[in-house]
Amino acid sequence: EVQLVESGGGLVQPGRSLKLSCAASGFTFSNYYMAWVRQAPKKGLEWVATISTSGSRTYYPDSVKGRFTISRDNAKSSLYLQMNSLKSEDTATYYCARDNNYGFAYWGQGTLVTVSS
Amino acid sequence: DIQMTQSPSSMSVSLGDRVTITCRASQDIGNYLSWYQQKPEKSPKLMIYGATNLEDGVPSRFSGSRSGSDYSLTINSLESEDTGIYFCLQHKQYPYTFGAGTKLELK
Repeated sequence: EVQLVESGGGLVQPGRSLKLSCAASGFTFSNYYMAWVRQAPKKGLEWVATISTSGSRTYYPDSVKGRFTISRDNAKSSLYLQMNSLKSEDTATYYCARDNNYGFAYWGQGTLVTVSS
Repeated sequence: DIQMTQSPSSMSVSLGDRVTITCRASQDIGNYLSWYQQKPEKSPKLMIYGATNLEDGVPSRFSGSRSGSDYSLTINSLESEDTGIYFCLQHKQYPYTFGAGTKLELK
């Protein structure tokens, strides 16, 4: 059974950093692109980052480019999101998702990040 | 960036209704379009991929179609478990972009 379990969310002050983790199991992690998608409270979904199978290619929207870094450790079947210079508008539930090339077929349960002083 | 214009934003529907939700892409995305259902406090669930393909385990009353740059999700004979919010996603090119969502509620 495919499982994606996020962790690392919490309350953080504006301008500070936070690192999210996603532990994957039930599939060959190194075979798949992986992504982070977020959802602000009562709002829609926003794609945040994608990483290639080897980690050599990463993609971001302008809203987080230069502040967020997606990475992975295939030996540990783990995905990460380093978030720097956090802003109040980064407050959201962050989901880890497996990119099946035809869509996000599997999602984690999400981890809530609240940016507030 | 490719804009996905989703409509309607909400629908009040009855059991047994035929429901259609539409996303219009601002640029050509081919069939790189998927649909997701989200229940309250839950993660999104993939329903349709490649514009018209039903994900495994999704009831056959769900279907997807395409007409030019318009992509539709149709639910035939709505059941109570189909309420929730539906989103489309284009993954033709980065940045991937979602539609704003359609909230389906029972009358």
